[in-house]
Formats: sequence, structure tokens, C-alpha cells
Amino acid sequence: GAGVSQSPRYKVAKRGQDVALRCDPISGHVSLFWYQQALGQGPEFLTYFQNEAQLDKSGLPSDRFFAERPEGSVSTLKIQRTQQEDSAVYLCASSLPLRLAKNEQFFGPGTRLTVL
Amino acid sequence: GDSVTQMEGPVTLSEEAFLTINCTYTATGYPSLFWYVQYPGEGLQLLLKATKADDKGSNKGFEATYRKETTSFHLEKGSVQVSDSAVYFCALKYSSASKIIFGSGTRLSIRP
Repeated sequence: GAGVSQSPRYKVAKRGQDVALRCDPISGHVSLFWYQQALGQGPEFLTYFQNEAQLDKSGLPSDRFFAERPEGSVSTLKIQRTQQEDSAVYLCASSLPLRLAKNEQFFGPGTRLTVL
Repeated sequence: GDSVTQMEGPVTLSEEAFLTINCTYTATGYPSLFWYVQYPGEGLQLLLKATKADDKGSNKGFEATYRKETTSFHLEKGSVQVSDSAVYFCALKYSSASKIIFGSGTRLSIRP
């Protein structure tokens, strides 16, 4: 009965380093979402997968951000050449297919990224 | 574009006080509206939702009514507890869309 899990929970990176953040969705959830939550702000949408297909990446802030979900389950959000403005909590959410989900997404605890 | 605006915090109340957290939205269509809660150290949890105008969502003593005429979805609770201390987010989503649009959050602290 596990929920959405994310790892690591905390990540400190030096500016310019690459980071990879992992998300394990709820079993059977075909839809997966990434959000970025800056300090004191609400989450902002980054990208959406249905199974292994990335159907919406309109929220990715730059080409340094890349997400994948090669087998339609676990997803990885990669940030290349991290900058200080990338410091935020990165939230993953999963749901049933959009047409069945009744708009409900289930969120993980997030990964807090700090770029020094 | 679509957006959500909610009252700035922090909001500090005494236990058993009445709570209102204001939320208004701007939408081009007819979205569903939500309140999410984020307890310290935990992930976002759906608190309640309403899918159409005049619907009332309720859960754990919290209520919010979808008011199309005032484009509002204010969160209310008649008697708050210390355990209600958290950050509350108002949000909207269209059925056909993938993303949830969140407000900036309101931190609520309840004094014993």
C-alpha cells in the first residue's frame, strides 16, 4: 500500500553539477507528473508522462531539465549544470489515466535540492 | 491565463477559533477546484475538492463552496485544532489537462 516515493529526500549540489532525482509512483498509476516548488511558493508544473510517453513538457524551465520514464514506471528528473535558481523542492505525483483520475493526483514527499 | 490567488500568511489562531482562508481564481473555462494541505515534513495531500459551481467539498471538518459568481473557493472550519497547523494550497485543474495550477499557499499556525 505504498504511496509515491522519491529519492533522495535531500540533495546538495555545487553549482554546475548534474543531479538526478528519482520517483517511484503508486503501482498501477500510468500517469506521472513532476512539479517544482520554490521556497514559499506553490508547486509549478514541469512535465507529464502517460506510461513511457512524455506528453507534456511545457513547464520545463530550460533545456538543462530532462525527464524520462523509460519503462513506464519509475521516473528520473535530471538537471544538468545546476544553478542556484534551481534550488527548490521537486515533487512527483501519480494518478490513474486522466480520463479515470477524477482530477486527483497523489504526491510524494519531494526532494529538496539546494544548489550552493 | 488561469491562476489562483490566496490570502497571504502566516495565519495564527487560537485553538477552537473559526478559520477562513480566502481563495479566488481566474479561469477561462470550468475547472475543478481543490484544497491541498502540506503538514510539516510530509507531502501534499488532497483535503477536499469541488467539480462544479455550487458544489461543496468537505473533509475533516473543513468546507469550501465553489462560487462561480465570485470566482471563489474559500476554506472554512468552525473550530480549529493544533493538529491543523500546516500549509494550505488552493488549486484548480481542468479534466482534460495534465497540470494542477496552485496558489502560493497559506501557512496556518494554531496556538494551544
